[in-house]
Order: sequence, then structure tokens, then C-alpha cells
Amino acid sequence: AQKITQTQPGMFVQEKEAVTLDCTYDTSDPSYGLFWYKQPSSGEMIFLIYQGSYDQQNATEGRYSLNFQKARKSANLVISASQLGDSAMYFCAMSEEATSYDKVIFGPGTSLSVIP
Amino acid sequence: EPEVTQTPSHQVTQMGQEVILRCVPISNHLYFYWYRQILGQKVEFLVSFYNNEISEKSEIFDDQFSVERPDGSNFTLKIRSTKLEDSAMYFCASTLQIVLYEQYFGPGTRLTVT
Repeated sequence: AQKITQTQPGMFVQEKEAVTLDCTYDTSDPSYGLFWYKQPSSGEMIFLIYQGSYDQQNATEGRYSLNFQKARKSANLVISASQLGDSAMYFCAMSEEATSYDKVIFGPGTSLSVIP
Repeated sequence: EPEVTQTPSHQVTQMGQEVILRCVPISNHLYFYWYRQILGQKVEFLVSFYNNEISEKSEIFDDQFSVERPDGSNFTLKIRSTKLEDSAMYFCASTLQIVLYEQYFGPGTRLTVT
């Protein structure tokens, strides 16, 4: 079974608009962490934001926020005021206490294209 | 800002040959990782390494693979006898603490097996 599901293989958004990238996860572990990484066409992996399973508030980092709905097991990434440089692949990922948080499982990714 | 470095950026090798991919993690980090990404696919965990031993490995990380930290700075991934399906981007990552901290990724080594 897939641990991380990203149902949107590709998304388009108009520059300056907000966009939500979906992520659902599957774990029975009460303690886990959720991450979002950005991979531009150049190939590097850039950390964006992190949410712990016990965090009461949704994580925010600049224009990025994580809409964490624990009961639904979803961790959607919201990018506000999209910029052309946001065009990239976005990966949702998770680590669990069961593997000592040592093993990060990535989802299949969503390709975001920002249109001028 | 400190960063993870990887060499070479691109390695071409013939099937059956041994390759060593090299990484220099961030200097005060304690946990090290290798991931691979087959072109157009998701990033897959291979192995984690702490205190000079493997702490977790995936089913991909079979006997053809090994990791080593030969000195205080380098972290290497060796593929003993490469197969065509080993062609992928290999990322090294490191982190200071594993409990819910981000991993810092290197720029990757593209391995092409012909």
C-alpha cells in the first residue's frame, strides 16, 4: 500500500494566485513527521516545510503553509502568491517513529507549472 | 550556508562495473542517507547511516550496495556490479538530528549504466 499519495500528477496556476497541492498519508504510528520538498528542473531537492504529528498549529514558512488535517491524514501544501520560480516538482514525504524517523518515504510528486 | 556536496555530478559506467559515488555531508551532521530517483519517478530511500553503521535500509539496498564513511568527512555509496536498472539520480542527504528534522540534500549524482 502506498504510504504517501499525491493525486495530482500535474497542476497549473496563474502567477500571483494561491495553489494547494494535495497529500494524503497512511500510518498507524502516533508519532510522525511530514515534509514537503521542491525539485526544480535543475534536479536538487529543496526542503520547504515540516509538520510534526503532535504540532497543534499548521506549519508556515513564508509563502508556504501546510494544511494539516490529522483525522483525514492529509497534509496539503498551500503556496500563496505563486511566482514563476515556483514551477517545479513538489514531493510530500513522511518519517515515522517506528523506523526511528530514519527513513523518509516520498510520494510520487506533483508537477506545478506557474503561468505568467 | 553549509551544504552537502556530491561528486561526480554525472557518472557513466558499463554494466557489471563497480562505481563509487561520493558525498561530503554537512560537517556537524551525524546522520547520513542515500536516496535514488529513477528519471521521472519518485525519490526512493536506500539507506541510513549513523555512528559508523547502517541504521535502516530498504529492499532496494541489496548485497550489490554498500556504504562507508572512510574518514571524518566523506560518505560513499558503492555499487559492486552495476545493472542497467541502476541508472538513476543518487542523492546524498544529512541531518543533525533525526527526530523530526529536515534532511539536507546534495545536488545528486546522475549515474548512467550502459
